[in-house]
Parts: sequence; C-alpha cells; structure tokens
Amino acid sequence: GENVEQHPSTLSVQEGDSAVIKCTYSDSASNYFPWYKQELGKRPQLIIDIRSNVGEKKDQRIAVTLNKTAKHFSLHITETQPEDSAVYFCAASRGGGTSYGKLTFGQGTILTVHP
Amino acid sequence: DGGITQSPKYLFRKEGQNVTLSCEQNLNHDAMYWYRQDPGQGLRLIYYSQIVNDFQKGDIAEGYSVSREKKESFPLTVTSAQKNPTAFYLCASSQGYNEQFFGPGTRLTVL
Repeated sequence: GENVEQHPSTLSVQEGDSAVIKCTYSDSASNYFPWYKQELGKRPQLIIDIRSNVGEKKDQRIAVTLNKTAKHFSLHITETQPEDSAVYFCAASRGGGTSYGKLTFGQGTILTVHP
Repeated sequence: DGGITQSPKYLFRKEGQNVTLSCEQNLNHDAMYWYRQDPGQGLRLIYYSQIVNDFQKGDIAEGYSVSREKKESFPLTVTSAQKNPTAFYLCASSQGYNEQFFGPGTRLTVL
C-alpha cells in the first residue's frame, strides 16, 4: 500500500518568514495530493490540493509543488502569521477501483509562528 | 446548514464495553470514512464506505465494526476487542475523488 513520509515533524519560524513542509510517497499511481490544517482540538480542513497533471498550484500565501518523478510534494507558506500556527498534514491517494478516495496521511508537522 | 456531524463529542468507555460513535452527513456524499488520531500522529484509516451497504477495511480495522444502511449515516462501533481505544476519532465524507470533509471528532477515553 501507499506510504507517506512527512518532514519536519516540528517547524518554528518568525512571523513574516516562509515555511516549507515536504512529503514523499511510495505509490507511483497516486494522483491526488491534499494538504490539511488542523488547529488544536479541531477538525482537519483542506487548505490546498494538487492533482498529478500539474506541477504547482498557488492560493494567495500558500503554494504546493509536485515532482512526480521523484515522488515528492511540498507545501510553501509565505509571509507567515501567528494564525498559521497549527498541525499540517499531507496526504496522497489514487482514484478508481477499490481505493476510491482512500487517503494515506503523513505524520504531521507542528508549525509554530512566533510574533 | 450542510455539513458533517459527530456525536458525542466526548465518550468514556469501561473495560469490556462496546461503544458506538455516530457520524451523519447531509452533503449527499457517496463516500464516508473513519479515522483514528493519536497524539503526535497522523490520521489512520479504520474503515471506509463508497456506497450504501458496502464498506472496506482500512489500515487498522481490528477491534472496530461499521455499518452503512443509509447514505447519510456511517456509525462506528469500538468493540471490547480493541485493546487500546483511547484516541480522537474523526469521520469524513467525500463525493468521488475529491476533497474529504471532516466532522468535529469524538474523543474516546477508556476508564
């Protein structure tokens, strides 16, 4: 089955700096890669996702890049703010057949943005 | 108000008891999922269902059971066979090969 590795496990930055979180996956058939943000005690919420037919996607201060050859994808947050502090999870899945929508998650990265 | 709900928010279980966690969605999504989250770890898939009256085991199904009698409901039973059930349980739903929406979670504690 799919295996997703996420690094780093913790990340501390100063407000205004950039933050980068990286994930690698093992299943070359995976083609959907979402990123979720989870605040303490709350539900995970999707912040951005990318499909394998594109290499990069941006949404304001957040961007995701995908390298299918190397089987890794990364989350980039620019101009970080204290409210960006949370746990971030990457995930991977492949559509179709019995694995329809089944996500495999990374272990999570605790991001702390210091004012 | 569309969304996905879980109940109860907190649940306490005695040793040897079975307990059932509720998950309901009114998003008209075909697929529903149950995840377990332990401190400092990612989400691990317990069971998922792509359609009514059908479901598949995830990565950690032992000690759990589910049913999918209605499209909007996907209850999870934590049986006495699950030796370490204390965790945060999250239910999610999706339409096809798209974003999964999560419920607010149930925190289960074994007394």
